[in-house]
Amino acid sequence: DQQVKQNSPSLSVQEGRISILNCDYTNSMFDYFLWYKKYPAEGPTFLISISSIKDKNEDGRFTVFLNKSAKHLSLHIVPSQPGDSAVYFCAASLSGGGADGLTFGKGTHLIIQP
Amino acid sequence: NAGVMQNPRHLVRRRGQEARLRCSPMKGHSHVYWYRQLPEEGLKFMVYLQKENIIDESGMPKERFSAEFPKEGPSILRIQQVVRGDSAAYFCASSPTAGVVGQPQHFGDGTRLSIL
Repeated sequence: DQQVKQNSPSLSVQEGRISILNCDYTNSMFDYFLWYKKYPAEGPTFLISISSIKDKNEDGRFTVFLNKSAKHLSLHIVPSQPGDSAVYFCAASLSGGGADGLTFGKGTHLIIQP
Repeated sequence: NAGVMQNPRHLVRRRGQEARLRCSPMKGHSHVYWYRQLPEEGLKFMVYLQKENIIDESGMPKERFSAEFPKEGPSILRIQQVVRGDSAAYFCASSPTAGVVGQPQHFGDGTRLSIL
């Protein structure tokens, strides 16, 4: 039972363009969402998060959008840079601060082409 | 390095042996989480601990797996009588305080467990 879904296993984007990574969830009790970036042989690194009371959060080149009615969130990276090539995981929490065990999607492998 | 420290980075065990994975949280963090990642999968939550307490073990297999976070020392994930299906990357994360928005879980680099 996959409660957090990332339906694109991979995404290829040209350097300088916008990367849009999508995530859908099924559990309406999730109230806090996070994006992590992961390089091979390393642990996930926190990127950005959003509470369910907001619909947008921005941090530099990264913006996360949340559509609660559609149970959908997306991560926008603009402009995309070569160092952004990594696997991106969407995660969801049932507690306001992400203090519980997170539920992760399977990840999207983002490839930034020069 | 003030990050979450996991050791060993790689661990090889034969079927039937015991595996012990260690995790030292970031300085000032009192909450520890263990996750398992199988190949081509996302991370799956296993257990959430505070010092000397298991808060949520809903993701732990019922047999052979146990976890502790003693008053002193690192958190330990123990797998007894390992089987091939236990081969995976095991990640530990820590956070400073429960339920505070803006304090996400920070992850270590994982232990890659291989069962021969």
